[in-house]
Amino acid sequence: GQSLEQPSEVTAVEGAIVQINCTYQTSGFYGLSWYQQHDGGAPTFLSYNGLDGLEETGRFSSFLSRSDSYGYLLLQELQMKDSASYFCAVRDEGDDKIIFGKGTRLHILP
Amino acid sequence: DTAVSQTPKYLVTQMGNDKSIKCEQNLGHDTMYWYKQDSKKFLKIMFSYNNKELIINETVPNRFSPKSPDKAHLNLHINSLELGDSAVYFCASSRDTGYTFGSGTRLTVV
Repeated sequence: GQSLEQPSEVTAVEGAIVQINCTYQTSGFYGLSWYQQHDGGAPTFLSYNGLDGLEETGRFSSFLSRSDSYGYLLLQELQMKDSASYFCAVRDEGDDKIIFGKGTRLHILP
Repeated sequence: DTAVSQTPKYLVTQMGNDKSIKCEQNLGHDTMYWYKQDSKKFLKIMFSYNNKELIINETVPNRFSPKSPDKAHLNLHINSLELGDSAVYFCASSRDTGYTFGSGTRLTVV
């Protein structure tokens, strides 16, 4: 089967840095993605890692280690608008679907 | 301008009724999906279509019937609605690594 584990909640302070971890178990692997979802909104695509290493997009970075079946999303210079749920997602090689983790609720304190 | 649009945004209906949700994408993507997000925010895939062909059916009750008249449209028809069908239903489309989601349809069965 396939499973993804990520913390259910994380709290951080405005202006700080926070890391959201994700571990996965899949029968195949085609890449790790991250999505952001604000309350009442739709998930929006943040990043994709197909190979090991760090991908940076502005204040957000995402990391993947395929040998460890592990990745993380790093958010820097946190802003109040970053309060949202963050989902890691894995695409199974040969299977045209993405499986989502249960999401991490990020709370940001002023 | 809207990339993936779905209607209606809200749907309140009685148990036993039949309802449809429509989805259209103008991104030129080949693959479209329906996901269900429950009250715990868990995103679960229901169906996937590629160029109007059904490629994934995740053991969804046969009361749910997707229809894709062309690759830009994927509609979801639900028969004999049950209380447990209450959720937010998201349509999405993809070409490669990232999904673009519609704004969601909040279905409430009373």
